[in-house]
Amino acid sequence: DAKTTQPTSMDCAEGRAANLPCNHSTISGNEYVYWYRQIHSQGPQYIIHGLKNNETNEMASLIITEDRKSSTLILPHATLRDTAVYYCIVRVANSNSGYALNFGKGTSLLVTP
Amino acid sequence: EPEVTQTPSHQVTQMGQEVILRCVPISNHLYFYWYRQILGQKVEFLVSFYNNEISEKSEIFDDQFSVERPDGSNFTLKIRSTKLEDSAMYFCASRPPRGSGGTPYEQYFGPGTRLTVT
Repeated sequence: DAKTTQPTSMDCAEGRAANLPCNHSTISGNEYVYWYRQIHSQGPQYIIHGLKNNETNEMASLIITEDRKSSTLILPHATLRDTAVYYCIVRVANSNSGYALNFGKGTSLLVTP
Repeated sequence: EPEVTQTPSHQVTQMGQEVILRCVPISNHLYFYWYRQILGQKVEFLVSFYNNEISEKSEIFDDQFSVERPDGSNFTLKIRSTKLEDSAMYFCASRPPRGSGGTPYEQYFGPGTRLTVT
């Protein structure tokens, strides 16, 4: 699986958009980008995933560059409850594996009042 | 909204003792997982389970670990003889069957069991 690189930490003011970048320059054509987050002491939570096109759901938007070497997770109006560690994970969509998630260190997002 | 539940929330045990961590996955899910997170470290995959057998396991999941689905609802992780370094938060996860929407990596996690080995 392609390696991902994320900033260690970021701050965002409440109500503003939080833009969390992820580099995955070695991504291959059949690998998806997944985003999870982990609020302190809780289990990880799925946010969104994408292959090539930008995606949006009720939690966030995912912007993937045309060359697919990087992506940005956008929380349009961050709230204090969005303070968490955000993980960018790249995985092959179809394989014979058990589909394990490989969490890195992620980005610790602090949303401030 | 259905969710994965785990019991107990906190388990304290002495080194060398056996522990069983329990999970109730979401009812129509068929794929089950255990992950662990040592304090201050990243979440690590342990094992995945489907159709009553292990489909993938990590190097961490050695002979001291076993998993079982003893009935139609529970999914358990057993550690035979606990070591101090087994102290961690253990997360169970599940995902829906193929063809029900979603993707294989869209997993639903429980709140975790904090295991403390003394």
